[in-house]
Amino acid sequence: EVQLLESGGDLVQPGGSLRLSCAASGFMFRTYAMSWVRQAPGKGLEWLSTIRESDDGAYYADSVKGRFTVSRDSSKNNLYLQMNSLSVEDTALYYCARARSPGMNMIFDYWGRGTLVTVSS
Amino acid sequence: EVVLTQFPATLSLSPGERATLSCRASQSVDINLLWYQQKPGQAPRLLIYDASNRATGIPVRFSGSGSGTDFTLTISSLEPEDFAVYYCQQRKIWPPLTFGGGTKVEIK
Repeated sequence: EVQLLESGGDLVQPGGSLRLSCAASGFMFRTYAMSWVRQAPGKGLEWLSTIRESDDGAYYADSVKGRFTVSRDSSKNNLYLQMNSLSVEDTALYYCARARSPGMNMIFDYWGRGTLVTVSS
Repeated sequence: EVVLTQFPATLSLSPGERATLSCRASQSVDINLLWYQQKPGQAPRLLIYDASNRATGIPVRFSGSGSGTDFTLTISSLEPEDFAVYYCQQRKIWPPLTFGGGTKVEIK
């Protein structure tokens, strides 16, 4: 059974940093591109970042480019999101998501339950 | 960036009625349009990919159509569990990958 479990969400002050993790199981993690998507309270979905299966490329939304860094450790089946220079606008539930099949097809068939990041002084 | 506009924002219907949700893209995405359902406190669930293909385990009452810039998600007869928010997403032109703003299907 495919499972994605995010962790690392917390209350952080503006300007602070946080590292989110997503533990994957039930599939061959190293062969799938992985993504982060967030949802601000009461708002819609916002794609943030995707990392290639071979970890040789990553893509970012303009809203996080230069502040967030996605990475993966395929030996541990973990996906990460390092978030720096956080602002109140980054307050959201952060989901990791897997594409429907190996490769960069960007059809998200599995999602984690999300981890909540709150940026507030 | 491809902007996806969903309408209506809210659809008020009764169980058993037909629901028609729309998603319009600011430029052609061919058939690379997906639909997700999200219930309160839950992650999104993939319903339809590539405009008209039902994802695994999705009931046949859900159907998708369209190509280019105009797409429709139809729920033929609403079940109580179908009242939720629905999002479209395009995967043709990215980054950025984009989602629509959502349509809430609520009980009338």
